[in-house]
Amino acid sequence: GAGVSQSPSNKVTEKGKDVELRCDPISGHTALYWYRQRLGQGLEFLIYFQGNSAPDKSGLPSDRFSAERTGESVSTLTIQRTQQEDSAVYLCASTWALLAYNEQFFGPGTRLTVL
Amino acid sequence: AQTVTQSQPEMSVQEAETVTLSCTYDTSESNYYLFWYKQPPSRQMILVIRQEAYKQQNATENRFSVNFQKAAKSFSLKISDSQLGDTAMYFCAFMSTGTASKLTFGTGTRLQVTL
Repeated sequence: GAGVSQSPSNKVTEKGKDVELRCDPISGHTALYWYRQRLGQGLEFLIYFQGNSAPDKSGLPSDRFSAERTGESVSTLTIQRTQQEDSAVYLCASTWALLAYNEQFFGPGTRLTVL
Repeated sequence: AQTVTQSQPEMSVQEAETVTLSCTYDTSESNYYLFWYKQPPSRQMILVIRQEAYKQQNATENRFSVNFQKAAKSFSLKISDSQLGDTAMYFCAFMSTGTASKLTFGTGTRLQVTL
């Protein structure tokens, strides 16, 4: 079946604008993660969803960041009033269940550039 | 909090040779999982190999193997018979079994395989 998909692939926006990033997980995957990858850095955890449980938002860097997911379907990451420091690649990953040894399958990411 | 350190920002190896990428981590937990992910220029993160901390035997996957030294908190990746397609960023990552959610990544090692 299809892998994790993300859209858009690239997004250029002006400082202060809001942006919405989309992630389509692999069908049947109950857990979904968002990570941020700044240039030359590793991935930073942002948020994860597991089924209908309350999401773990502990990695969100500020209240300008929010994410939603309905059931086990699509997730959107919203960044309000974007800042230049938000420029990064945003990666989404999904897996079958919230178990440590389960492989997380990553999408190709959205490259966000804030001018 | 856990930390993952990759002290080699860049490495180069000739085709068919063997290369070892280093990774150290810090945790107070006794059980956890360790991963190596590959990120080619396409940005898609791909799982290379994983190790469960309670297993003493080092994991192997074809040309990829790890040297897991739990007491030293070291988790190096050995790539044998290097191929041009191995050229990528390699990230070491840690996941606790207690909160089976976010991966904590190192800053990565850029590996270049040359002819």
